[in-house]
Amino acid sequence: EDKVVQSPLSLVVHEGDTVTLNCSYEVTNFRSLLWYKQEKKAPTFLFMLTSSGIEKKSGRLSSILDKKELFSILNITATQTGDSAVYLCAVEHHASGTYKYIFGTGTRLKVLA
Amino acid sequence: NAGVTQTPKFQVLKTGQSMTLQCAQDMNHEYMSWYRQDPGMGLRLIHYSVGAGITDQGEVPNGYNVSRSTTEDFPLRLLSAAPSQTSVYFCASSRQLGLPQHFGDGTRLSIL
Repeated sequence: EDKVVQSPLSLVVHEGDTVTLNCSYEVTNFRSLLWYKQEKKAPTFLFMLTSSGIEKKSGRLSSILDKKELFSILNITATQTGDSAVYLCAVEHHASGTYKYIFGTGTRLKVLA
Repeated sequence: NAGVTQTPKFQVLKTGQSMTLQCAQDMNHEYMSWYRQDPGMGLRLIHYSVGAGITDQGEVPNGYNVSRSTTEDFPLRLLSAAPSQTSVYFCASSRQLGLPQHFGDGTRLSIL
């Protein structure tokens, strides 16, 4: 069965800490993996990863994909209270003649001042 | 630049009622989609469209209809609301087919 699993489910840290969020997947014909940040409303796009070993970086956030071990990590350094959110991982893959999209259930991050 | 706009933000319906959730985007994106988000579950694709006049089913299409008469608009219709359709609904758009990069703010729908 195709699946995307995120860990941990939730995390509480203090400002300035570094966190690593995990996303593992089991799908046929992987195409891409996306990370999103969801605060109170809409998910906002962070990164799209398609190639293994190439780090995507934006400010204090970075992400990398390992297509051999079937996982991705999202790193946040020097966390701030504004980083508090649910972080979603999603995978696009090809099965049964069509593209399919599987979202993980998310990691809830709370950053304390 | 408004991005993806959804209306209404909240709605309460009685079982059996019908309604339309509106979605509009001003980025000239060809690909639009509807997702529902339920507690403890990932976002699930309901229907999608790859361009005006073209729609297709996603993972959980039953009980919903869509149409795409223009590039900008992609309404989602609930034909006969059921309590199982209580959820938060997100409309999304992208330049191309794939996981979306722009979401609307969502519609919280409760079916009594």
